[in-house]
Amino acid sequence: AQKITQTQPGMFVQEKEAVTLDCTYDTSDPSYGLFWYKQPSSGEMIFLIYQGSYDQQNATEGRYSLNFQKARKSANLVISASQLGDSAMYFCAMREGRAQKLVFGQGTRLTINP
Amino acid sequence: NAGVMQNPRHLVRRRGQEARLRCSPMKGHSHVYWYRQLPEEGLKFMVYLQKENIIDESGMPKERFSAEFPKEGPSILRIQQVVRGDSAAYFCASSPLLPGTANTGELFFGEGSRLTVL
Repeated sequence: AQKITQTQPGMFVQEKEAVTLDCTYDTSDPSYGLFWYKQPSSGEMIFLIYQGSYDQQNATEGRYSLNFQKARKSANLVISASQLGDSAMYFCAMREGRAQKLVFGQGTRLTINP
Repeated sequence: NAGVMQNPRHLVRRRGQEARLRCSPMKGHSHVYWYRQLPEEGLKFMVYLQKENIIDESGMPKERFSAEFPKEGPSILRIQQVVRGDSAAYFCASSPLLPGTANTGELFFGEGSRLTVL
């Protein structure tokens, strides 16, 4: 079974609009962490935001927020007031329990139109 | 630059040759991870190492691939007798500590090494 599922291969959004990128996960471990990374066309992986399974509040980092719905096992990334520079691949990832590695989803390619 | 350093950034090999990819973790980090990314796909975990120890190699192909992280020097991902299917971007990441209350377990990535097999 897929640990991390990103169902949107591509998204097209007008500049300044908000956008939600979907991510669902599958784990039976009560302790886990969820991450979002951005990969621009230059190829590097940029950490955006983290949500712990025991965190009571949704994580926020500037224009990024994570809509964490534990019962639904979803961890959607919300980007407010999108900018042209937000065009990139976005990956959701999960770390389970004491495991060190991150498991990544297939990614969503976000394109911001002027 | 105190980030994760990978080299070479681009490597071209002919089928049957060997490829060696190097990774120097961030200063103070003792955990190294290697991931492979095929075009338009996500990152696939390959191996997790600490100094002189392979901790988790569940994602490594059984043949031709090996990794090490010696006491001194960078981590090396070695691919012997490369085939066209090995063409991919190989990312190295590092982290400082085990996940805990003070550490999210975030991985810090290098810029990747892009291997092309002719």
